[in-house]
Amino acid sequence: AQTVTQSQPEMSVQEAETVTLSCTYDTSESNYYLFWYKQPPSRQMILVIRQEAYKQQNATENRFSVNFQKAAKSFSLKISDSQLGDTAMYFCAFMKQSGNQFYFGTGTSLTVIP
Amino acid sequence: GAVVSQHPSRVICKSGTSVKIECRSLDFQATTMFWYRQFPKQSLMLMATSNEGSKATYEQGVEKDKFLINHASLTLSTLTVTSAHPEDSSFYICSAAGASYEQYFGPGTRLTVT
Repeated sequence: AQTVTQSQPEMSVQEAETVTLSCTYDTSESNYYLFWYKQPPSRQMILVIRQEAYKQQNATENRFSVNFQKAAKSFSLKISDSQLGDTAMYFCAFMKQSGNQFYFGTGTSLTVIP
Repeated sequence: GAVVSQHPSRVICKSGTSVKIECRSLDFQATTMFWYRQFPKQSLMLMATSNEGSKATYEQGVEKDKFLINHASLTLSTLTVTSAHPEDSSFYICSAAGASYEQYFGPGTRLTVT
């Protein structure tokens, strides 16, 4: 079975500062995908960034980057230059390469303070 | 990117009635669609997986006779909540998967049963 753990239920960060959200997962699979999704108050799920497990290079998308440690089964999200619009729930998710079902973490509620 | 719509966005129904929620992939063919339920400040809980033209696969604990899922075409899946009760009030989200592992989420439907 796959499990995804987000140990930080709530976090806050000052505008323009950097924040890191933690995610660990457990799997016996060797090939898989990892994702970070953002869910703002509108409740629309928005893909922030994704990582293929076979790629050693950490994914980046503008102000968002990940620290993927495959051996440690860790997949943290770093948000640089935080903006007010980054305030949202953030979900870490795992998907086996052999399937297309998401396994979601419990989420981290991030508040950006002006 | 690909777009998934849900209709209605909000619905209020009386206890004992049935309500249908539609999930449409607007610009791609979705071989698989997923239905999730989300309680306030909680993660997405997978209810069922539906493949076009075949019966849905329900997660443990989800009543298939209460939550009827139909995936009659490659662009449309429906979730019908039969004999709704107040405890069925929730936020329902669908996602659609195309040929690759990419999934796209609908904007969600807020169901309130009075």
